[in-house]
Amino acid sequence: QPVVTQEPVLSVSPGGTVTLTCGLVSATVSAAYYPSWYQQTPGQAPRTLIYSTNVPSSGVPIRFSGSILGDKAALTITGAQVTDESHYYCVLYMGSGFWVFGGGTKLTVL
Amino acid sequence: EVQLVQSGAEVKTPGESLKISCQASGYNFSTHWIAWVRQRPGKGLEWMGIISPGGSDVRYSPSFQGQVTISADKSVATAYLRWSSLKTSDTAMYYCARQEGFCSRATCYPNYYYDMDVWGRGTTVTVSS
Repeated sequence: QPVVTQEPVLSVSPGGTVTLTCGLVSATVSAAYYPSWYQQTPGQAPRTLIYSTNVPSSGVPIRFSGSILGDKAALTITGAQVTDESHYYCVLYMGSGFWVFGGGTKLTVL
Repeated sequence: EVQLVQSGAEVKTPGESLKISCQASGYNFSTHWIAWVRQRPGKGLEWMGIISPGGSDVRYSPSFQGQVTISADKSVATAYLRWSSLKTSDTAMYYCARQEGFCSRATCYPNYYYDMDVWGRGTTVTVSS
């Protein structure tokens, strides 16, 4: 099974910018993996932030953006807010109707 | 309102069987596949598999192939996740989520362009002796 990598822990200051990445062991992540990003707060189901690399889900604040940076997918939060403290997961499409989640990033805003 | 309503929490002993459900409402069940996602306590999300609305096409993650069975009943707009013999390691929260589908040349697929846009609230499964 492919292994999708994310930073386990990141921190950012309020108002700052942080980039979370989503990689693939022994491969390059491109738009062809249709990366999506989900935010999950404790006790809640995940909600979509970004899909298909850089398409924001409805109602998502503009400070969240997606891209491909080098060989990874990336989620950038520009102007982080305290409310952005959460877990973030990427998921990649591997083909044949099969997806794999990354291990998640716990983001602290302080 | 579009929603996926999942069945209630379960407490089971190892070796027991279990089937949990995910009932869709507020949209045409035929247009979306249903995925299942596991989250063990304090851990991340794991994609388990996905089923077509008619139930005829199921794709499993290699990690879950043979461990669970995913099924669906279009007549009641419900997807299911079943275990024949639970293990303590199956203790987790299980989410269902819908994924838009598309058809090409009479074959239908989960649409990888889109996201899992609507999620159920999850079903907690606890397996303990």
